[in-house]
Amino acid sequence: SHELTQPASVSVSPGQTASITCSGDKLGDKYVCWYQQRPGQSPVLVIFQDDKRPSGIPERFSGSNSGNTATLTISGTQGMDEADYYCQAWDSSNVVFGGGTKLTVL
Amino acid sequence: QVRLVQSGAEVKKPGASVKVSCKASGYTFIGYYMHWVRQAPGQGLEWMGWISPNNGGTKYALKFQGRVTMTRDTSISTAYMDLSRLRSDDTAVYYCLRGEGYSKFDYWGQGTLVTVSS
Repeated sequence: SHELTQPASVSVSPGQTASITCSGDKLGDKYVCWYQQRPGQSPVLVIFQDDKRPSGIPERFSGSNSGNTATLTISGTQGMDEADYYCQAWDSSNVVFGGGTKLTVL
Repeated sequence: QVRLVQSGAEVKKPGASVKVSCKASGYTFIGYYMHWVRQAPGQGLEWMGWISPNNGGTKYALKFQGRVTMTRDTSISTAYMDLSRLRSDDTAVYYCLRGEGYSKFDYWGQGTLVTVSS
């Protein structure tokens, strides 16, 4: 089965740019979504189809996907962005999630 | 607005079964797949499978085949996830989520905590 690998944690200073990677075999051939999950809350979609933002998601969230790596980029990171982030892709008719990355804003 | 409202928390003994419901509103129920994902305490997201509310077709993750059954009642726009032969490592928050084709999961339920303990 397809596996998606994320770093366990990423730290960023307020106002700086955070990058969270998601790696998988030929991931660039698939669409990737990203979800944000704050403590005690349900996940929220922040990026779909590699680089599209749902309505209501701030412009500071962006995504890219090429080769074996997809990247979620948060520009001008704010304290409210501190959360767990999960990448997700389809493998045939199965859904695969990455293991999640804890983003710390300090 | 789109809402997915799940049933309340459950406590079950090992070997028992649990059935979690997910009532959809604010959109055409049969127009979108419904997926189920679980999250063990302090762990990541684990996909369990999907159901097509339109025709009842299902696809289960290999890990859950034989133990999970997903059904729906279109008359009340509700999807169900039944997990049998519960073990302690099935303790988790279970989410239903609306799936738009092979694309995004744009709406999630609030989650249902299932605790398996003797």
